[in-house]
Amino acid sequence: DTAVSQTPKYLVTQMGNDKSIKCEQNLGHDTMYWYKQDSKKFLKIMFSYNNKELIINETVPNRFSPKSPDKAHLNLHINSLELGDSAVYFCASRRGTDTQYFGPGTRLTVL
Amino acid sequence: QQQVKQSPQSLIVQKGGISIINCAYENTAFDYFPWYQQFPGKGPALLIAIRPDVSEKKEGRFTISFNKSAKQFSLHIMDSQPGDSATYFCAASTAGNTPLVFGKGTRLSVIA
Repeated sequence: DTAVSQTPKYLVTQMGNDKSIKCEQNLGHDTMYWYKQDSKKFLKIMFSYNNKELIINETVPNRFSPKSPDKAHLNLHINSLELGDSAVYFCASRRGTDTQYFGPGTRLTVL
Repeated sequence: QQQVKQSPQSLIVQKGGISIINCAYENTAFDYFPWYQQFPGKGPALLIAIRPDVSEKKEGRFTISFNKSAKQFSLHIMDSQPGDSATYFCAASTAGNTPLVFGKGTRLSVIA
């Protein structure tokens, strides 16, 4: 059983395009996150959603927008993709201060 | 501003040896300190975690040592195995729904 799933696993696209990454968790967690992992493996928090409300919005470009249709899903939309957006994006979920679970990641390559 | 500082950046250990990774933090409101293990092409997975009410936690070959006064915590991997070769991240968070803040990671290589 997959706890946190993401699609697609790989995404290759041209500069200027708009793309989305989907995330679903079946753990019943109330908070979901998006992290960006750069080429140096640094994990940086981008967004978190709790009960369908954005509670943290780090200093990311407004080309990135999280969308949560329900408590189990947190999708990431990226407009006008740039070369610097190339990275691995991880979705994660958590209940309170319990264990935070990560998805398998989406490797985004912008050409 | 990096809230959790991790060292070393990379580590090579002989099979059977002890791997030690250190982390330091500044925010005294942190009350949860997990370590995550990440293999290439995979998402980070929880390895072991500690809260500041104890100074040490052991699970199998993995031990966290926690020093509240020094604001430091470390991961010890006893009898290191080639299968332990991965990137290890320390992290911290405060109470509530705040996200984990991660160290920059340590790439561990265990050689036979």
